[in-house]
Amino acid sequence: GESVGLHLPTLSVQEGDNSIINCAYSNSASDYFIWYKQESGKGPQFIIDIRSNMDKRQGQRVTVLLNKTVKHLSLQIAATQPGDSAVYFCAENMAGTASKLTFGTGTRLQVTL
Amino acid sequence: SQTIHQWPATLVQPVGSPLSLECTVEGTSNPNLYWYRQAAGRGLQLLFYSVGIGQISSEVPQNLSASRPQDRQFILSSKKLLLSDSGFYLCAWSVTAGAGYTFGSGTRLTIV
Repeated sequence: GESVGLHLPTLSVQEGDNSIINCAYSNSASDYFIWYKQESGKGPQFIIDIRSNMDKRQGQRVTVLLNKTVKHLSLQIAATQPGDSAVYFCAENMAGTASKLTFGTGTRLQVTL
Repeated sequence: SQTIHQWPATLVQPVGSPLSLECTVEGTSNPNLYWYRQAAGRGLQLLFYSVGIGQISSEVPQNLSASRPQDRQFILSSKKLLLSDSGFYLCAWSVTAGAGYTFGSGTRLTIV
């Protein structure tokens, strides 16, 4: 559901390690999921998406895993770099809802040197 | 290619003053348009969305209104701003249902 009013959880990762950011979504009827990255003072940017007929999708250094049984989504970032420091949001879209995306709480990723 | 423009980037307004934020999309037709607000360190709250000219849906009761006078123009307005209207306002568009959004660069609104 909506994430207004919640403080962002923070994940601290050392440079070069892999990062895993988790998200629990709310609606079993959701059929499309997206991960966004938001750097300070900027609008969110698309990272990767996945449809509900898949359970894994890979991009450049990123992998999204979808577990529909437990309504869980994760974003894996390989060899995390300082430029990956940002807030990451998952979003879900339920079919037939005028493309309205419901955003998760967001997780702040801090990459330490 | 499609682009989205949002302005101004920052705005400081006194309490009780009016507001008009504009968002335009280029390179596409009949997009779905959205206004979101983000408080500092918080998530994204959907304020309004529009699936066509003159069609506005409001998600939360508030001091703001939205209008879509042209296919690719979305305006966020207020007649009298409140302190609680401060935040980071984001416009976004999508081309179809079941597609991701492309966000604008945002407007940082501070009410004093």
